[in-house]
Order: sequence, then structure tokens, then C-alpha cells
Amino acid sequence: GAVVSQHPSRVICKSGTSVKIECRSLDFQATTMFWYRQFPKQSLMLMATSNEGSKATYEQGVEKDKFLINHASLTLSTLTVTSAHPEDSSFYICSASRWDLTDTQYFGPGTRLTVL
Amino acid sequence: GQQLNQNPQSMFIQEGEDVSMNCTSSSIFNTWLWYKQDPGEGPVLLIALYKAGELTSNGRLTAQFGITRKDSFLNISASIPSDVGIYFCAGRRDSGGSNYKLTFGKGTLLTVNP
Repeated sequence: GAVVSQHPSRVICKSGTSVKIECRSLDFQATTMFWYRQFPKQSLMLMATSNEGSKATYEQGVEKDKFLINHASLTLSTLTVTSAHPEDSSFYICSASRWDLTDTQYFGPGTRLTVL
Repeated sequence: GQQLNQNPQSMFIQEGEDVSMNCTSSSIFNTWLWYKQDPGEGPVLLIALYKAGELTSNGRLTAQFGITRKDSFLNISASIPSDVGIYFCAGRRDSGGSNYKLTFGKGTLLTVNP
């Protein structure tokens, strides 16, 4: 199989603090990882694409200084929401594509972020 | 970002009924994917379509890649309560490499009454 995990699954933080979310591919090496944001009853919106060892590519309208992405290894990518505000509250989902099955993105279970 | 037009937005059906949903786009996609998302979970891939006109089944699910490459359909036969969830279509334009970006539809919320 191709399992992707995320940690934490839920996080509640105060406004102004930073939150780090981890995305791991457990049983395969992921050449590319993607970060999505999903608001209630809405679709997934791609935030950024990240390749191991290189800078992430952000979608238009996504602030790269606010959403820091690090893809230090083929099995781990992190998303840090800096100086979080209530409007950043959302469901953040990562996905990973396998180097040998680049057609397929495998999604993590998501992280629910609530900023008070 | 761009989204696909997915219809219907929601469906309420009786157990045993068949379900159809579709996605359309103003531009061409090289690949169409269908995902299911349960509440509080990430999407799970149901069916992937790679060629125009392709018809692919996965158990009670059947999906088709439209011949114009601008649409796709998903059918669920003999629905059961566990089919409840949100179904998303996703299109991909890139023809190679690992930087595949997906464009998602807005989702179809399916409710199945026992």
C-alpha cells in the first residue's frame, strides 16, 4: 500500500502563535508532496507543491512567508503556519506521490487547525 | 484557483438506488480521478482514468473519461449506507513528470437512506 500520515490530527492554538504540521509517507519514498487547505463544505484548494531538497512552489494568493514548507527528506514534509490568526482555521491535508507511481497522489488524513 | 464544475452538489437517495454524478471543464485534462472523502478524513482514490473514452469499474463504481477530455462521469450502482460521503472529481493536465497538480471539483455530498 501507500500510507501517508499527518501529525497532529487536531491542534488548537492562540492567535499569533506558529503551528507545525508534519506529513510523512510511511511505506514509500515521495518525490513530491502537496499541501491543500479545505474550508467547511468546500473543495480542496492546492496551496503549494514541494519537491524534496528544493523550494516549494506556491499557488497564486498563498503567502509563502506565512505558510512555510520544508521537504527535507523523501518521506517528510512540514507545513508551518506562522503567526496564525482565526481566519487560518481550516482543515489542512497533504498528499504524496510515489516516484514509481507518479500518476497517483495518496492523501493523508488531514489536520484540523483551530486558531482562537 | 480553478475548480471543475461538479454536479449535483448533493443527493439524497434510498438504499439500493443507482447514483450518477459528473464533472465538466472548459479546458482539457489528460487524467481524471474520482475520490471519496469521509468526514474528518483525507480523500481516498476510487478510480483513475487515463484515456479519452475510457470506461473503468471498481466494484459497484463505474467511471468514464469523456471523449472530449472535458468531462467525466461516476456511477454507483445499488447504493449502500456506507457509500455516504463526499465524492470529488479531480483533473490533471500534466502529461509527465512528478509535479502533477490536481484541480478538484466542488464535491457531491451523497446521503443514503437505509
